[in-house]
This record gives sequence, C-alpha cells and structure tokens, in this order.
Amino acid sequence: GENVEQHPSTLSVQEGDSAVIKCTYSDSASNYFPWYKQELGKRPQLIIDIRSNVGEKKDQRIAVTLNKTAKHFSLHITETQPEDSAVYFCAAPPGSGNTGKLIFGQGTTLQVKP
Amino acid sequence: SQTIHQWPATLVQPVGSPLSLECTVEGTSNPNLYWYRQAAGRGLQLLFYSVGIGQISSEVPQNLSASRPQDRQFILSSKKLLLSDSGFYLCAWSVGLTGSYNSPLHFGNGTRLTVT
Repeated sequence: GENVEQHPSTLSVQEGDSAVIKCTYSDSASNYFPWYKQELGKRPQLIIDIRSNVGEKKDQRIAVTLNKTAKHFSLHITETQPEDSAVYFCAAPPGSGNTGKLIFGQGTTLQVKP
Repeated sequence: SQTIHQWPATLVQPVGSPLSLECTVEGTSNPNLYWYRQAAGRGLQLLFYSVGIGQISSEVPQNLSASRPQDRQFILSSKKLLLSDSGFYLCAWSVGLTGSYNSPLHFGNGTRLTVT
C-alpha cells in the first residue's frame, strides 16, 4: 500500500526566511497531493493541493512542486510569518482514482521566530 | 456551503465504557465520509471510510467500529474502551465520485478523547 514519508519532522526559521518541507510517496499511481496546516488543538485545513498532471502550483506565498519520476513533492513557504507556525501534513492517495482515501505523512512542526 | 459538525468536542471516559461519536455533514449529498485518529504529536491515521449508506471499510484492526445510518451521518463506536483509544478523533468528508482525481478532505473540529 501507499507509504508517505515527510521530512523534516521539525523546522525552525527566522521570520522572512523560506521554509521547505518534502514528502516522498511509494505508489506511482498516486495522482493527487494535498498539504494541510494544523494549528495547535485545531483541525487540519487544506492550504494547497496539486494533481499529477502539473508540476507546480502557487498561491501567494505558498507553492507546491511535484516530481513524479522521483515520487516526491514539496511545500515551499516564502517570506514566512509567525502565523505560519503550525504542523504541516502532506498526503497522497493509495493509487489513482477518486477513492477519497488519503495517507498522511507524520507531519512537520514549523516554528517561525520573530 | 457545506459544513461538518462533530461532537462532543471533548470526552473523558473510563476504561471499559462504551463510546459513541457522531458526525454530520450539511450542504452536500452522497459524500465520502472518514474517521481519522491522531495520537498526541503524531500524524493522522485513517480508521474508517464510507462511500455510501451502510458501506463501511475498516483500515486497521482495532477496538472501534463505524456506522453510516443516513447519507450524511457517520458514527464511531466502541463497546469497551481501552487506554490506547485515547486520541484526537477527526471526522472528514469529501465529494463523492467525481472522476479520476481525489477531492480534498474537509475535517470537522475533532473530539479529544481521554480514556482513564
């Protein structure tokens, strides 16, 4: 089945710097890759997602890149702000098609220091 | 717009007691429904998912069960709780079959369960 590995587990950056979180997946048929942000004690919320038919997607300070050959995708946050501090999760479905299921990485705790 | 309701927000239960967590979705029909568990400081583990009334798939062997008595209602249950059942339980929904790509998951606010 699908296995999603996420690195690093913790990341500390200075305000204004960039942050990059990387995930690798095992199932080459996976075709949808979302990223979720979870603030302390709250529910995970979708911040950006990408389908396998594109290599990059941007939304203001957030971008996701996908390398299907290497089976990895990354979250890029530029000009980080203290409110970006949270746990970030990547996810991938087990195989192609809209099964709806997602397998999540273990999460990255991002700390942005003012 | 679609909304998802999950309750209770927090729950403290003794070992061996039963459990019932409920989740309802509004504003959409025939959603896919999911129960995830998050242990403290850990990732999200898929427990159950459902693509329709009465259709439940279990992802991991455990002390829990799920039911979907109505299209937009998903219930997580246990007959006898274990200490290891403690965690943050999240209900989620996504749009039903729409083609070859998954749809985003939308999570409820979660239930923090402590088994004592």
